[in-house]
Amino acid sequence: DIQMTQSPSSLSASVGDRVTFTCRAGQDISDYLAWYHQKPGKVPNLLIYTASTLKSGVPSRFSGSGSGTDFTLTISSLQPEDVGTYYCQYYKTAPLTFGGGTKVEIK
Amino acid sequence: EVQLLQSGGGSVQPGGSLRLSCAASEFPFSSFAMNWVRQAPGKGLEWVSGLTGSGGGAYYAASVKGRFTISRDNSKNTLYLEMKSLTAEDTAIYYCAKSSGPLTSPFDYWGQGALVTVSS
Repeated sequence: DIQMTQSPSSLSASVGDRVTFTCRAGQDISDYLAWYHQKPGKVPNLLIYTASTLKSGVPSRFSGSGSGTDFTLTISSLQPEDVGTYYCQYYKTAPLTFGGGTKVEIK
Repeated sequence: EVQLLQSGGGSVQPGGSLRLSCAASEFPFSSFAMNWVRQAPGKGLEWVSGLTGSGGGAYYAASVKGRFTISRDNSKNTLYLEMKSLTAEDTAIYYCAKSSGPLTSPFDYWGQGALVTVSS
């Protein structure tokens, strides 16, 4: 099974800050990587798939990059509605593993 | 608008059983793989099981294999998760999630979640 490790586990930043967090796969997963955002008390929402493709309707301040084992999600200008937890997910073969998440808070 | 309406959560004693349902609408149900994902209280997401659109291919996390069974009734547009031999570690919110294509694709829609509590 492929392990997905996210870092940091949490971060606090100010509105307008550029925020970047990472997801590392235990082995080469090509670009079979998705990012989800879960607001507190809400259902997860798909943001990005194939590592860098923005889902329709997702704000352009979100971007993803990477391939192989190392991936990043960047928020170019943090907004209050971006709080919550971000999860990466590997989805090429079962088990479709999620990372442990990065919790984002506003300072 | 795609809808996934879940039912069947609740409280059960250790060793007991429970069945979750997920009624889908507004998309060609049999054309898409479906999944169950759970989230223990205060914890992250854990993929539990996935099923191909035809129902011919079922996959499970090691933590539930042999105890949980995923199935679907494409005539009723409904996904199921039969859970047996439940333990406290199975306590979680269970979400059904639609794959955006085959099983090897990300999840583009999620149900509202169903709380399963395993406690004596």
